[in-house]
Amino acid sequence: EAGVAQSPRYKIIEKRQSVAFWCNPISGHATLYWYQQILGQGPKLLIQFQNNGVVDDSQLPKDRFSAERLKGVDSTLKIQPAKLEDSAVYLCASSLINAGQFFGPGTRLTVL
Amino acid sequence: DAKTTQPPSMDCAEGRAANLPCNHSTISGNEYVYWYRQIHSQGPQYIIHGLKNNETNEMASLIITEDRKSSTLILPHATLRDTAVYYCIVRVEYNFNKFYFGSGTKLNVKP
Repeated sequence: EAGVAQSPRYKIIEKRQSVAFWCNPISGHATLYWYQQILGQGPKLLIQFQNNGVVDDSQLPKDRFSAERLKGVDSTLKIQPAKLEDSAVYLCASSLINAGQFFGPGTRLTVL
Repeated sequence: DAKTTQPPSMDCAEGRAANLPCNHSTISGNEYVYWYRQIHSQGPQYIIHGLKNNETNEMASLIITEDRKSSTLILPHATLRDTAVYYCIVRVEYNFNKFYFGSGTKLNVKP
């Protein structure tokens, strides 16, 4: 069974630029999560989708971050404009409803 | 809003059992305990989970106290490849399956 796919694996941008990350969840998983993991800390949930709908985006900095999940499958997370403090690993995970989460390898973002 | 408490780091000799403790004193009756680990530069990897009973799989054993306020993850024969950050997570079942990650325990397996 294929796992959660993410791209790119690494991205370096300058502050005030924009960036987008892509996630393809495990087939059949209704729930998709985006996490931000700053060095030395545990992952922090940014946004959670169930099928097409957002069930939690309380930790998403909505002035600069946006996410969508078209057709209830793939998802993109965008940052515009990026700040230095956005440097982190962005993890995507998916799950069946009320089940354990499976994580992708993450995208390491460096903002200079 | 992590609901668990773990020591920041632990050491273990290669080949010995690694016992990683977790405190979850505010756990509710229908909340599961999950364990994940994260090896450097990878996404978190599922290890094991349980509700009330002790659980065992090919990777580890999970011992949950009778009052469910704490648990221990046991890696029976630690290898150097088990060096990772281990996260104990309480899954909030009726809150859209949220996971709250704390800072985890950095397990250092030494030769």
